[in-house]
Amino acid sequence: AQTVTQSQPEMSVQEAETVTLSCTYDTSENNYYLFWYKQPPSRQMILVIRQEAYKQQNATENRFSVNFQKAAKSFSLKISDSQLGDTAMYFCAFMKPAVSKSGGSNYKLTFGKGTLLTVNP
Amino acid sequence: ETGVTQSPTHLIKTRGQQVTLRCSSQSGHNTVSWYQQALGQGPQFIFQYYREEENGRGNFPPRFSGLQFPNYSSELNVNALELDDSALYLCASSPGQGREKLFFGSGTQLSVL
Repeated sequence: AQTVTQSQPEMSVQEAETVTLSCTYDTSENNYYLFWYKQPPSRQMILVIRQEAYKQQNATENRFSVNFQKAAKSFSLKISDSQLGDTAMYFCAFMKPAVSKSGGSNYKLTFGKGTLLTVNP
Repeated sequence: ETGVTQSPTHLIKTRGQQVTLRCSSQSGHNTVSWYQQALGQGPQFIFQYYREEENGRGNFPPRFSGLQFPNYSSELNVNALELDDSALYLCASSPGQGREKLFFGSGTQLSVL
């Protein structure tokens, strides 16, 4: 079974600074996807960034970028120019395709326990 | 705004009762997944439906069941509620078989007393 570990229960950063959230995972699969989701107090999970394991290039989305180290099974999230609206729980997640009963594929997300990020003014 | 709505937002039940949670997805979203998020934890996969058939299940007992309807709505049913079922239940939908971006609702907070 896959596991996802986020070793930082809480982090804080000053507005406009840069912060890095850590994530490691364990899998024997070669084909999979990795995600960072943000969960603000509204409780809705919002996709921040997505990385396919077969791509060596690190994904970026505006102020958000990842450092994907496949051999080390590490997937950290860097947030640049932190904003007050970035305050939220951040979850690292792993997804691999699995064969379903119908013969098609299903994809389930395995989440870490999350890191609470607070951006201070 | 993800276009995924869940109802009710909050619910209180007593142990042994049955509960039905509802989710309405965007038109064209053939895949719906349900997740349970206990306090202080990440969400855990319950099951996934694709075109009204269950096509994947996590480590949850049979008293957790679901339905998906042709109008892109779905239900999560839990029988014989236990105290440990208290959690946030999240619904997520996507157009295909889940490889694309998942759109999450804001969840139903279930409290079992």
